[in-house]
Amino acid sequence: EVQLVESGGGLVKPGRSLRLSCTASGFTFGDYGMSWFRQAPGKGLEWVGFIRSKPYGGTTEYAASVKGRFAISRDDSKSIAYLHMNSLKTEDTAVYYCTRDGDITDYWGQGTLVTVSS
Amino acid sequence: QAVVTQEPSLTVSPGGTVTLTCGSSTGTGVVTSGHNPYWFQHKPGQAPRTLIYHTRNKHSWTPARFSGSLLGGKAALTLSGAQPEDEAEYYCLLSYSGARVFGGGTKLTVL
Repeated sequence: EVQLVESGGGLVKPGRSLRLSCTASGFTFGDYGMSWFRQAPGKGLEWVGFIRSKPYGGTTEYAASVKGRFAISRDDSKSIAYLHMNSLKTEDTAVYYCTRDGDITDYWGQGTLVTVSS
Repeated sequence: QAVVTQEPSLTVSPGGTVTLTCGSSTGTGVVTSGHNPYWFQHKPGQAPRTLIYHTRNKHSWTPARFSGSLLGGKAALTLSGAQPEDEAEYYCLLSYSGARVFGGGTKLTVL
């Protein structure tokens, strides 16, 4: 059974950093790209970024709203995808979801809440 | 950045049929299969669920009453035979050369 579990969310002050983890199980993690999405309170879904699998270069893509502040990495030996968030702003407050992203975006995690507030 | 448009809200009667659409403001303004349209269902307190990918393909968990298509220059999600449990927010997602943009979502009420 495919499972994705996000962790690392919490309360953080503006300007600080936070790292989210997405721990995967039930599939060969290294064969898949992984994406991050988010939903701010009362708002719609937003794509954050994507990391390709190593066979496809392990390269990344980001939304304009986070480019230069957020970075996605992966540790295939641990089946974990990371979202490194720097220079956090209040508008980054959201539930963050990871998804499996091979040829298609299919499985979603349950999400982790990040609150950026002083 | 591209703007993806959806109806803010729609209402359908139980057993009825409704079509949700997803438009694009970029380039020709026509949504094609090249935008790899997705449709997601999101209910309060739950994770989103992928219903349709690449315009019209369904996952194993997608109820047969949902179908995806291209219609009048837009991506479309048609629900035939609406059930009370279909009440949810529906989001489309389009791809633009590596970037992905959501529509604002359609709140579907089954009433």
